[in-house]
Amino acid sequence: GAVVSQHPSRVICKSGTSVKIECRSLDFQATTMFWYRQFPKQSLMLMATSNEGSKATYEQGVEKDKFLINHASLTLSTLTVTSAHPEDSSFYICSARDLRGQGETQYFGPGTRLLVL
Amino acid sequence: AQTVTQSQPEMSVQEAETVTLSCTYDTSENNYYLFWYKQPPSRQMILVIRQEAYKQQNATENRFSVNFQKAAKSFSLKISDSQLGDTAMYFCAFMRGIQGAQKLVFGQGTRLTINP
Repeated sequence: GAVVSQHPSRVICKSGTSVKIECRSLDFQATTMFWYRQFPKQSLMLMATSNEGSKATYEQGVEKDKFLINHASLTLSTLTVTSAHPEDSSFYICSARDLRGQGETQYFGPGTRLLVL
Repeated sequence: AQTVTQSQPEMSVQEAETVTLSCTYDTSENNYYLFWYKQPPSRQMILVIRQEAYKQQNATENRFSVNFQKAAKSFSLKISDSQLGDTAMYFCAFMRGIQGAQKLVFGQGTRLTINP
């Protein structure tokens, strides 16, 4: 099966610091990965599309300078929350597009819970 | 823009019963994919089932099956012989079939509880 990992699973940081979250596809290559944010009891909100070797595409309303995305290899994408503030506290989930088959299926990481104090 | 609507915020059934979760979507596309994802309390998103719009046959995966009505733009999920482990949030999702970023558009979710 297609496995996606995320690290860390949980992070607590002070306001003003930066936090990096890693998303890895473990048994397949992913030229495209996606970053989502999920508030309690709500659906997933797409933040950005991460493309290997090129700039990420951000959704409307998402600050690209606030949420830095790097997709340096076919198995790794990182999301850095810069100068984090309490309102950035949330559950962040990544997914990777499996190119095997027709490439239409996304597999999700286990998520990262961020708490900014 | 595509939209996905799940009209049942919460559902609850007894173990071993059959339950159907509804999903409707709006699109002008002819080629697309539909998905049901499950999010248990661990919050790990798990793919339950996938349907290609060009296929008339409804997808099935063991106890999970869909009723795909393309003209009505409806995509319901049926869970047979429900188990306690089926307790989770269920999200219906839409993806355009053309080449490109192929973003998923999610519904609001249905919280399903299976009671012993």
